[in-house]
Amino acid sequence: GQNIDQPTEMTATEGAIVQINCTYQTSGFNGLFWYQQHAGEAPTFLSYNVLDGLEEKGRFSSFLSRSKGYSYLLLKELQMKDSASYLCAVRATDSWGKLQFGAGTQVVVTP
Amino acid sequence: KAGVTQTPRYLIKTRGQQVTLSCSPISGHRSVSWYQQTPGQGLQFLFEYFSETQRNKGNFPGRFSGRQFSNSRSEMNVSTLELGDSALYLCASSLTGRPNADTQYFGPGTRLTVL
Repeated sequence: GQNIDQPTEMTATEGAIVQINCTYQTSGFNGLFWYQQHAGEAPTFLSYNVLDGLEEKGRFSSFLSRSKGYSYLLLKELQMKDSASYLCAVRATDSWGKLQFGAGTQVVVTP
Repeated sequence: KAGVTQTPRYLIKTRGQQVTLSCSPISGHRSVSWYQQTPGQGLQFLFEYFSETQRNKGNFPGRFSGRQFSNSRSEMNVSTLELGDSALYLCASSLTGRPNADTQYFGPGTRLTVL
């Protein structure tokens, strides 16, 4: 089975940096995804890691350590529009079309 | 390229009824996955279809079923609705759905309310 843990909520001010951690346990790891979901909307793809290390994409970066079962999503230069839920999702080697999601981290950006 | 589309966007049903939801994947995508999202359970995988075949299934009762057509469009059906089936139903498409490739892209979802 799979267990995916991430904090429930984080608050940060506009212009700051926030790091959302995700730990996972899975039998047969085959990639980790981060999605952003605004209230009432569909999750939108942010990043994908399958090898150890940092992937940078504009203001967003994602890091993976497979040996530690750990990932983080780093949001820099926070903007009000970044207020959303951030979902960590893991894909296993035997799972056709299936992602296992964490409960999501609600990020609140304050002025 | 158009994104994943889902119809209807909102639906209200009563207990015991059945419902059919539709999903059209991104053009060229052949894998369609369905998820249920609720405040208590988060996003839970229902099933995945590729080339009109169900390849993977989550832990949901048999009241939840689906199918895929030759043009990759997919439908899911929930029979004998229960109050607990109230949720946002999301479909996601990817090129092949292979475990070692592909990103899933989500549609806007269908908000189902069961009264």
